[in-house]
Amino acid sequence: GAGVSQSPSNKVTEKGKDVELRCDPISGHTALYWYRQSLGQGLEFLIYFQGNSAPDKSGLPSDRFSAERTGGSVSTLTIQRTQQEDSAVYLCASSPGLAGGNTQYFGPGTRLTVL
Amino acid sequence: QKEVEQDPGPLSVPEGAIVSLNCTYSNSAFQYFMWYRQYSRKGPELLMYTYSSGNKEDGRFTAQVDKSSKYISLFIRDSQPSDSATYLCALKENQAGTALIFGKGTTLSVSS
Repeated sequence: GAGVSQSPSNKVTEKGKDVELRCDPISGHTALYWYRQSLGQGLEFLIYFQGNSAPDKSGLPSDRFSAERTGGSVSTLTIQRTQQEDSAVYLCASSPGLAGGNTQYFGPGTRLTVL
Repeated sequence: QKEVEQDPGPLSVPEGAIVSLNCTYSNSAFQYFMWYRQYSRKGPELLMYTYSSGNKEDGRFTAQVDKSSKYISLFIRDSQPSDSATYLCALKENQAGTALIFGKGTTLSVSS
């Protein structure tokens, strides 16, 4: 079956603009995660969804970052007023959920460049 | 001190060599230990998953966890050029849907 997909694969934007990044998880996976991967920082957790609710938002770096998930499926990560330090690869992962939830399957990522 | 430490390398070995990749961690609450492989410009893919201490083998790959030393390892036998990638250790505290804590990754290059 299809894996996790993300769009766009690349996004170049100007400082101060808003961007939206999309994640389509594996069908039936109730848990969804967003991570950020920057040079020298490794993979950093941003937010976790179980269904449509987000019990853990502790990794969001500022209030410019928000995410939502609708219908227990697609998720959108929004970054408002982008800054150059937001440049990174944004990765989405999904897992079956609380019962079988340790295996997280990653998408290919969205490479964001803020000029 | 970071929660998870991993030597970034790069590590260069000839084809056929045995490769040892390692992570150390500080949080004794970690119970689930994973290794991911990431090719350039791709997402991480799960290689090995271990619960608590012990060894797990899958083909040319062996994962070891020593909770008493807070040390985890991934061994690759008979390394191949296709193993050239970044290897990330990832740790998790409990079964419920919490985040993975990643090492920064070790870049491996296997030359033919």
